Amino acid sequence: SQQGEEDPQALSIQEGENATMNCSYKTSINNLQWYRQNSGRGLVHLILIRSNEREKHSGRLRVTLDTSKKSSSLLITASRAADTASYFCATSTSSRLTFGEGTQLTVNP
Amino acid sequence: DGGITQSPKYLFRKEGQNVTLSCEQNLNHDAMYWYRQDPGQGLRLIYYSQIVNDFQKGDIAEGYSVSREKKESFPLTVTSAQKNPTAFYLCASSLLDRNQPQHFGDGTRLSIL
Repeated sequence: SQQGEEDPQALSIQEGENATMNCSYKTSINNLQWYRQNSGRGLVHLILIRSNEREKHSGRLRVTLDTSKKSSSLLITASRAADTASYFCATSTSSRLTFGEGTQLTVNP
Repeated sequence: DGGITQSPKYLFRKEGQNVTLSCEQNLNHDAMYWYRQDPGQGLRLIYYSQIVNDFQKGDIAEGYSVSREKKESFPLTVTSAQKNPTAFYLCASSLLDRNQPQHFGDGTRLSIL
């Protein structure tokens, strides 16, 4: 079952621009997590936001969570070519995570 | 260095053959997970385990089997009953606290010969 849906599916920007990715989900959650995947590699955890939090920052990343709209957004500021990757949201319910299909971000130098 | 090791990186399966993917972690995590990822898709949960000698089916368990004899190890067997096994397989582990992230290995790419 696919809980999270990311939007857009693909995003291409220039270095230095900001990138925003959105995630919508359907059921109540404990927390929402964002992960990054470089091509052919495993996922790397970026940030976790709990259901009672509205915004969280980590370096150039800003995550928001709106539980009334069942949606989250990930903002990457001042993007770099090295940020090129797929980004996934994952919702935590009981003892497992459910992943969306991801946003492919390309940052052009 | 703590982490999760998956092996092999690439694996080929012949018709009617069972193959086993290895996953080992030295993070002292109680929970371990197996996911399948198809091209351009998200991750789908195959099996997970929260304690030694116990495991639960995920969303796509048919054609797969697992064991959890040791805390550090969670091997996945892709059986001949899995008719479309070609995919990227990812193993992860975490603490039991649901507000902790999962840590991933670098995956095994399985193809049919």
